[in-house]
Amino acid sequence: NAGVTQTPKFQVLKTGQSMTLQCAQDMNHEYMSWYRQDPGMGLRLIHYSVGAGITDQGEVPNGYNVSRSTTEDFPLRLLSAAPSQTSVYFCASSYSSGPPLHFGNGTRLTVT
Amino acid sequence: TQLLEQSPQFLSIQEGENLTVYCNSSSVFSSLQWYRQEPGEGPVLLVTVVTGGEVKKLKRLTFQFGDARKDSSLHITAAQPGDTGLYLCAGEFLNWRTSGSRLTFGEGTQLTVNP
Repeated sequence: NAGVTQTPKFQVLKTGQSMTLQCAQDMNHEYMSWYRQDPGMGLRLIHYSVGAGITDQGEVPNGYNVSRSTTEDFPLRLLSAAPSQTSVYFCASSYSSGPPLHFGNGTRLTVT
Repeated sequence: TQLLEQSPQFLSIQEGENLTVYCNSSSVFSSLQWYRQEPGEGPVLLVTVVTGGEVKKLKRLTFQFGDARKDSSLHITAAQPGDTGLYLCAGEFLNWRTSGSRLTFGEGTQLTVNP
């Protein structure tokens, strides 16, 4: 049972580049979410999804896009990377509305 | 924006000592979660408390939810080096219950237990 799998684990981008952070879960969870973790800021919600085809914005959505074409996958797209997006990104899932039950191991992104 | 304050930010103790970390807010939570995070990994859910005054135990860890549901504490008895990690509390607020999995996280308490 893989749980929540995130790829890549590390990524370095130049300002203005785009990329997609991948997230997949094999637990048939309806709810998935993306957080970023920064020193002194805790985890902040970027986007979330309550099921395939449904997404919504969280606390800090600017500069990020998401889609949910299947229950299993919830990719996060950075459209034009900025140094302020340097962070550790976590994907999480849960059965229903409520707190995340499972987190992935994160993607550490550096934007230069 | 609801804020969660955790204290202390850093705690370094010797193996065998007891400790308590705190999570406080001015807002009422519908539920509160405690997670532990180790370096290079994602947070792992330890417990959820939902009722004011509720106490839950997980081996040497005791979690308490305040009567007014605005605060929580985590007490560790006879700490071991394996307890080392970042302890995060996360509060779920009443007006977000129908909007999916949305929480406010505290900044965390970094605990180091020295052998």
